[in-house]
Amino acid sequence: GAGVSQSPSNKVTEKGKDVELRCDPISGHTALYWYRQSLGQGLEFLIYFQGNSAPDKSGLPSDRFSAERTGGSVSTLTIQRTQQEDSAVYLCASSSRQSGANVLTFGAGSRLTVL
Amino acid sequence: AQSVTQLDSQVPVFEEAPVELRCNYSSSVSVYLFWYVQYPNQGLQLLLKYLSGSTLVKGINGFEAEFNKSQTSFHLRKPSVHISDTAEYFCAVMNTGFQKLVFGTGTRLLVSP
Repeated sequence: GAGVSQSPSNKVTEKGKDVELRCDPISGHTALYWYRQSLGQGLEFLIYFQGNSAPDKSGLPSDRFSAERTGGSVSTLTIQRTQQEDSAVYLCASSSRQSGANVLTFGAGSRLTVL
Repeated sequence: AQSVTQLDSQVPVFEEAPVELRCNYSSSVSVYLFWYVQYPNQGLQLLLKYLSGSTLVKGINGFEAEFNKSQTSFHLRKPSVHISDTAEYFCAVMNTGFQKLVFGTGTRLLVSP
């Protein structure tokens, strides 16, 4: 597609429920990133995929968080047993290679509210 | 590991005045540097990037930044700001050998008439 597509755009859930957030990257972009943006916390790196493998998943906050990518395209971020502190905007980005660097293009984000 | 410091959390400025948003980074290896902008209720948009070559890079909307390796800085400048420049600006760094992009905490630019 023309841009990075994320769904749902808004999700309200109850504490303890599982949620899945989806990211559809720009066609042809091999790298995909997930970040979390909390109020007053800036942008927190969660995980990075190159193709279907994740060279760096060091930012996942706990074992309740997991992510996968299939077919080198769509990625899903899953949060199990959600907690109120998981409330944030989850941003996905895919990247094209320019002069050796991954240059990221971001989606609009999925706003998660845990009640 | 690389890190980014944006010392100013908020910068108020009058319309048509010049502005500089400061960014310093820390890395043991060569880096790529980026500025992203987030307008109110919108997503992140790439403003400009330094990958190689000239240390002075120009971006969209009249912004520019200069890579200073000795001072490990990548400050963002605009000679004359507009009300529409009101937004959150994020500096980010990526090691050349590992493609993890690390962001600073952001600087909110507030432009008033």
